Amino acid sequence: EVQLLESGGGLVQPGGSLRLSCAASGFTFSNYAMTWVRQAPGKGLEWVSAISVSGGTFYADSVKGRFIISRDNSKNTLYLQMNSLRAEDTAAYYCAKSVLPAARGWFDPWGQGTLVTVSS
Amino acid sequence: EIVLTQFPGTLSLSPGERATLSCRASQSVSNYLGWYQQKPGQAPRLLIYDASNRATGIPARFSGSGSGTDFTLTISSLEAEDFAVYYCQHRSTWPPHFGGGTKVEIK
Repeated sequence: EVQLLESGGGLVQPGGSLRLSCAASGFTFSNYAMTWVRQAPGKGLEWVSAISVSGGTFYADSVKGRFIISRDNSKNTLYLQMNSLRAEDTAAYYCAKSVLPAARGWFDPWGQGTLVTVSS
Repeated sequence: EIVLTQFPGTLSLSPGERATLSCRASQSVSNYLGWYQQKPGQAPRLLIYDASNRATGIPARFSGSGSGTDFTLTISSLEAEDFAVYYCQHRSTWPPHFGGGTKVEIK
């Protein structure tokens, strides 16, 4: 069974940093692109970032230059380094596996999410 | 960027009724359109990909149609567990945006 388990969320002050992790199991992690999607409280889904099998990275304009996605295939883990955090980054952050090897694919399954709150 | 507009925002229906949800793209996405279901407190799950293909384990009462700019998700006969929020998403270009969602609520 494919499982994705996010961690690393919490309360951080504006301008601060946080690193999210997503531990994957039940599939050959290195063979699939991975993505991060966030959801602000009571709002819809917003695609944040994706990383391809070969390590190519893609970002939403809202996080470009502030967030860095990476993967460690030896640890079956996906990361999201979030810097210069803003109040509008407050959201539940989900990691998801791409159904296809391509980074711009369909996302299934998803982890349970980790909550990031940016507030002073 | 390709923007996806979902309508209606809310659909009030009774169990057993047919639900028709729409998603319109600001420009053609070919058939690169998917649908997700999200229940309260849960992560989304993929229902439909490439406009009309059901994902693994998705019941046959869910079907998708359309191509280009206009797409439809149909739930043929609503069951209690189908009341949720539904999102469309494209993968035609970067960024692979989601629509704003349609809430299907019990009437």
